[in-house]
Amino acid sequence: AQSVAQPEDQVNVAEGNPLTVKCTYSVSGNPYLFWYVQYPNRGLQFLLKYITGDNLVKGSYGFEAEFNKSQTSFHLKKPSALVSDSALYFCAVRDITGNFNKFYFGSGTKLNVKP
Amino acid sequence: GAVVSQHPSRVICKSGTSVKIECRSLDFQATTMFWYRQFPKKSLMLMATSNEGSKATYEQGVEKDKFLINHASLTLSTLTVTSAHPEDSSFYICSARFRTSGGPGTGELFFGEGSRLTVL
Repeated sequence: AQSVAQPEDQVNVAEGNPLTVKCTYSVSGNPYLFWYVQYPNRGLQFLLKYITGDNLVKGSYGFEAEFNKSQTSFHLKKPSALVSDSALYFCAVRDITGNFNKFYFGSGTKLNVKP
Repeated sequence: GAVVSQHPSRVICKSGTSVKIECRSLDFQATTMFWYRQFPKKSLMLMATSNEGSKATYEQGVEKDKFLINHASLTLSTLTVTSAHPEDSSFYICSARFRTSGGPGTGELFFGEGSRLTVL
């Protein structure tokens, strides 16, 4: 079965500092990995995805993620955090082994960026 | 990006009544939509996969008679919580996959804004 794990329940960072939100994956076959962000009482917004190609993927709002096959990780990063980045972040893996290409999400990491 | 509209955003109902939540893809056709339930500790649980013109596929542990899903057209899926109870209170989110030219598996999901259900 495909799955992702987000080991940190919460990440605190000061504005202007770099941020990292961790994600590790467990998949059979090639991984299809995604990051989403959720603001309070809202749906999820797509940030970026890794399907194939360059290990460093750039996405929305200045976020990027690095695919590391040897460490089975897909950490989300941003060079300089903004207070407005404070939100809930979900890593997801797509299961393409079934008929419907389901997405499975990690438990989420709450990012707090302090002024 | 593609737009998925979910309605209502908030609903309060009495125990024992049924509530319908609609999910529409506004600018694309979605043969498959997914329904998630988000619990207070934030994790997202996939409830079911909604397929246009056929029966929904439910995840293990999700009661199909409790959570009725209908995918009436390529742009509309509905979730009906039947005989709702307080434990059904939750945040329900629908999503649809936007097809890309990259082949199966490459398209991302687009999400509705979610529906907060409170059962009194």
